Amino acid sequence: AQSVTQLDSQVPVFEEAPVELRCNYSSSVSVYLFWYVQYPNQGLQLLLKYLSGSTLVKGINGFEAEFNKSQTSFHLRKPSVHISDTAEYFCAVSRTSGTYKYIFGTGTRLKVLA
Amino acid sequence: SQTIHQWPATLVQPVGSPLSLECTVEGTSNPNLYWYRQAAGRGLQLLFYSVGIGQISSEVPQNLSASRPQDRQFILSSKKLLLSDSGFYLCAWRGGRGDPAVNEQFFGPGTRLTVL
Repeated sequence: AQSVTQLDSQVPVFEEAPVELRCNYSSSVSVYLFWYVQYPNQGLQLLLKYLSGSTLVKGINGFEAEFNKSQTSFHLRKPSVHISDTAEYFCAVSRTSGTYKYIFGTGTRLKVLA
Repeated sequence: SQTIHQWPATLVQPVGSPLSLECTVEGTSNPNLYWYRQAAGRGLQLLFYSVGIGQISSEVPQNLSASRPQDRQFILSSKKLLLSDSGFYLCAWRGGRGDPAVNEQFFGPGTRLTVL
């Protein structure tokens, strides 16, 4: 079985500062990794995904993440955040075959301060 | 392009009343479909998924049920709502075998359900 841990439930950061949202996973099989963003009362939007290949993945809105297999991590980073990045961010994993069911982390609420 | 719709957007229901939430997908065929619940302050919990018409898998025991009467329609139901059924319900789809979108899920806008 797979599991996902997002250690930080809330991350406050000042505008234009860098941010890192942490995600660690556990799995005995190969996985795909995803980061989604959720704005209040909306669905989830895919930020980026790791399927294979380069371990540094670039996504939308200036976000990037690095897959580290030895540390079983997939941390999300942005060099300079904006007020509009205030949202909840979810890390998810799925198996690479079968039903591709997602296992989500509990989410990290990013609050960007002026 | 593909789109996913959910309705209603918000719903307030009394305890013990029935429930029907609908999800439809456009622009794709034979998608895999998923229902998630997001309780306040918690992550997303997979409730049901479907790989085809009439094929439903339940992930957690509860008083909810799901049905897939058509290829691109997924319905979440309950005969009698409980207070604990309150939450934000999200439908998602994934491309079927051979579809370029086979590796990721796309989410609908969600339904906010409040049970009083």
